[in-house]
Amino acid sequence: KNQVEQSPQSLIILEGKNCTLQCNYTVSPFSNLRWYKQDTGRGPVSLTIMTFSENTKSNGRYTATLDADTKQSSLHITASQLSDSASYICVVSGMDSSYKLIFGSGTRLLVRP
Amino acid sequence: DTAVSQTPKYLVTQMGNDKSIKCEQNLGHDTMYWYKQDSKKFLKIMFSYNNKELIINETVPNRFSPKSPDKAHLNLHINSLELGDSAVYFCASSQVLGGADTQYFGPGTRLTVL
Repeated sequence: KNQVEQSPQSLIILEGKNCTLQCNYTVSPFSNLRWYKQDTGRGPVSLTIMTFSENTKSNGRYTATLDADTKQSSLHITASQLSDSASYICVVSGMDSSYKLIFGSGTRLLVRP
Repeated sequence: DTAVSQTPKYLVTQMGNDKSIKCEQNLGHDTMYWYKQDSKKFLKIMFSYNNKELIINETVPNRFSPKSPDKAHLNLHINSLELGDSAVYFCASSQVLGGADTQYFGPGTRLTVL
C-alpha cells in the first residue's frame, strides 16, 4: 500500500534555530515528491517539488533533500522565523498515476520567540 | 487577484440538507481538483477534472457530485449531508494533469454538519 509517513508529528523550536523534518514513503514506482506549507486556516502552498533524479532543492531558507534509494526525504529550515509556524506536508506521487498525490499527515511546527 | 477562490469559507448545515461549494481559478489552468481534509489533517483527493472532463473519481459516495461548467470553475454539490461529511474541503488547480506540476490550493471551505 502506498503510504507517506512524517516525523515528528509536532515540533517546537526557538526563533533563529534550524530544524529538520523527515518524510518516509513507500510509493513505488516513484515519480516526484513535494513539500507543502499549510498555515492554520489556509490552503497548502508548494515549497519544493523534486523528481527522482534530483536529490536537493532549495527555496529560500527551505532546503529539501531526497534519497530515492532509501525512499526518504527531509525538509531543513534555516534560521527559523515566527512566520514559519505552520504544518509541513510531504506529498508523493507514483509513476503509474502521477496525478494522484498521496499526502502525509504533516509535521506541525511552532516557532517561539 | 486571488488565484484559486472558494465560496463559502464556512458552511454550517443540518444533516440531510443539500449544499454546494463553488471554486474558481483565474490562472488559466486546465486541471482542477477537490480534496477533503479530515480531522487528522490528512488531505485526500476526491475528484479531478481536466478540460472539463472527469479524470479522477476516488471512492467518494454518490452524494458528492462535481460539476465543471468551464475550465475555470469546478463546483461540488453534496446531497443528503451526513455528520461524517464535516471536514475542510479544498479546491486546487494545476496547469496540466500529472507530472511534477505545482498545484495551487484555494483557502478551503470548512463544512460542519450538525
